Amino acid sequence: EAGVAQSPRYKIIEKRQSVAFWCNPISGHATLYWYQQILGQGPKLLIQFQNNGVVDDSQLPKDRFSAERLKGVDSTLKIQPAKLEDSAVYLCASSLRMLNTEAFFGQGTRLTVV
Amino acid sequence: GENVEQHPSTLSVQEGDSAVIKCTYSDSASNYFPWYKQELGKGPQLIIDIRSNVGEKKDQRIAVTLNKTAKHFSLHITETQPEDSAVYFCAASDTNSGYALNFGKGTSLLVTP
Repeated sequence: EAGVAQSPRYKIIEKRQSVAFWCNPISGHATLYWYQQILGQGPKLLIQFQNNGVVDDSQLPKDRFSAERLKGVDSTLKIQPAKLEDSAVYLCASSLRMLNTEAFFGQGTRLTVV
Repeated sequence: GENVEQHPSTLSVQEGDSAVIKCTYSDSASNYFPWYKQELGKGPQLIIDIRSNVGEKKDQRIAVTLNKTAKHFSLHITETQPEDSAVYFCAASDTNSGYALNFGKGTSLLVTP
């Protein structure tokens, strides 16, 4: 079974530039998550989708971050404009359903903002 | 929302010894508690999970215990091996957030030969 695919693996941008990350979840998984993992910390939820609807985006900095999941499959996360404190690994995860099931993580995109 | 505390932040053990990592959570309605292992440059990978209707679960050298009254759960690794060296995260489902997982800050485990 193919895992969660993310691209790119690495990205370096200057502050105030924009960047986009892409995620392809495991086939058939209805729930998709974007997490931000700052170095030395645990993943922090940014947004959760159920099919193509948003379940929770309370921790997404909406003035600069946006995410969409068109057609309930692939998802993109965008940052515009980026700040130095956005430097982190952005992890995408998916699960079969919302409630009490294993979340499978991709390898992540490491973003460095200089 | 859910708050998950994890300790210790670092743990060093000799090969063959046991390792224990402890977590506490705040949301009394949480009912799913997974443990993830993260190796350098990789995404977290589930190693074991437990649901609130169970007090203990074991899978070979790994076991997890859950005390719902005290709102804490623990990971036990026996007969540790160098390949167990990694960062381990506990997590708890957040009932206020679509049951998404809230993670602890992680424990960096080093197993020395």
